[in-house]
Amino acid sequence: QVQLVQSGAEVKKPGDSVKVSCKASGYTFTSYAIHWVRQAPGQRPEWMGWINTAKGKAQYSQKFRDRVTISRDTSASTAYMEMTSLTSEDTAIYYCARGYGVEYWGQGTLVTVSS
Amino acid sequence: DVVMTQSPLFLPVTLGQPASISCRSNQSLVHREGNTYLNWFHQRPGQPPRRLFNQVSNRDSGVPDRFSASGSGIDFTLKISRVEAVDLGVYYCMQGTHWPYTFGHGTKLEIK
Repeated sequence: QVQLVQSGAEVKKPGDSVKVSCKASGYTFTSYAIHWVRQAPGQRPEWMGWINTAKGKAQYSQKFRDRVTISRDTSASTAYMEMTSLTSEDTAIYYCARGYGVEYWGQGTLVTVSS
Repeated sequence: DVVMTQSPLFLPVTLGQPASISCRSNQSLVHREGNTYLNWFHQRPGQPPRRLFNQVSNRDSGVPDRFSASGSGIDFTLKISRVEAVDLGVYYCMQGTHWPYTFGHGTKLEIK
């Protein structure tokens, strides 16, 4: 069965960077894009970007373009989302999701930014 | 970005009664290829969103048939014929036609 398993919760200080991983299994990794979505407490989900896992090319929402890098390692069937210059407003659950239809989601990774 | 507006924000319901959620976009969600990429999700506390419908009205596997979805262009609706306790939580519409994809602000289905 399709599974997306994300790395564990992170606690960071303002100005730090964070890298979240998303390991895929149960399907051919390079056949589907991986999307990254975050959800701040009590807020709607918010799209960050996505990566064409076959070509390695990423596209970003304008809001995150300067601080986020999405990458993948096809040998490990894993996608990554790295965010720099963290502030308290980046405290959220970060999700990966498969494909343009985003039917399958990871369990989420809580990133807490606090001094 | 495309703005998705849901109504109501809160929907108090009696178990066994019907419920309806509206979603409107500020521009057409018909893709240049002809498909309409409007999805509905359900989210319970502490869980990722679960997709219920894709491309307006295609019910996902395992979604009970008491759920239905319809609409076109900019106006879309999710209906539950008889609400059960497991249906409680937040419902989101989401458009995947225009980048960046966007969600509505959510409708919280709660017991009256």
